[in-house]
Amino acid sequence: AQTVTQSQPEMSVQEAETVTLSCTYDTSESNYYLFWYKQPPSRQMILVIRQEAYKQQNATENRFSVNFQKAAKSFSLKISDSQLGDTAMYFCAFTGGGADGLTFGKGTHLIIQP
Amino acid sequence: DAGITQSPRHKVTETGTPVTLRCHQTENHRYMYWYRQDPGHGLRLIHYSYGVKDTDKGEVSDGYSVSRSKTEDFLLTLESATSSQTSVYFCAISESGDTLGSYEQYFGPGTRLTVT
Repeated sequence: AQTVTQSQPEMSVQEAETVTLSCTYDTSESNYYLFWYKQPPSRQMILVIRQEAYKQQNATENRFSVNFQKAAKSFSLKISDSQLGDTAMYFCAFTGGGADGLTFGKGTHLIIQP
Repeated sequence: DAGITQSPRHKVTETGTPVTLRCHQTENHRYMYWYRQDPGHGLRLIHYSYGVKDTDKGEVSDGYSVSRSKTEDFLLTLESATSSQTSVYFCAISESGDTLGSYEQYFGPGTRLTVT
């Protein structure tokens, strides 16, 4: 079984700063997929970024980028030029593909201060 | 936004009563999932479906059953609700990654269920 660990229950940064959220995972599979989801106070789960394990290049989506270290089983999320609207819970998730469900970490509550 | 709706959005029920939550999608995606979200646990998989009438158990399936008679609908039933099933329930959909490549899941708005 896979496990996903987010070691930072809560983080707080000033607007416009850069922040990095940590995620580590454990799996015996060689191919898999990793995601970061954002959950604002509205409760909606929003896909932020995805990474396929077979791709060496780190994924980037506008201000969001990941640092994927396959050997270390690490998948951190970097948010550049943070904005007030980035305040939310952020969840790291793993799937082996196919019909498999997602395995989630327990989340990091990110607060962007004005 | 993916076309996923959940009903009801909020429900309060008493211990021992049956409850059915509905997930409806307009995306014609093959895979559908039910998760529950509790403080300190993130989201955990209850059941999933990989086609009409094809379902399987997830990590926390005890006390829950599911059915999928049409591609667009996935029902979650609590046969006899207990206070431990008070939670927020999310439905998610996904299409095969064979062509899309990433197996990402899209989530409905959630249902807050309170069992008193």
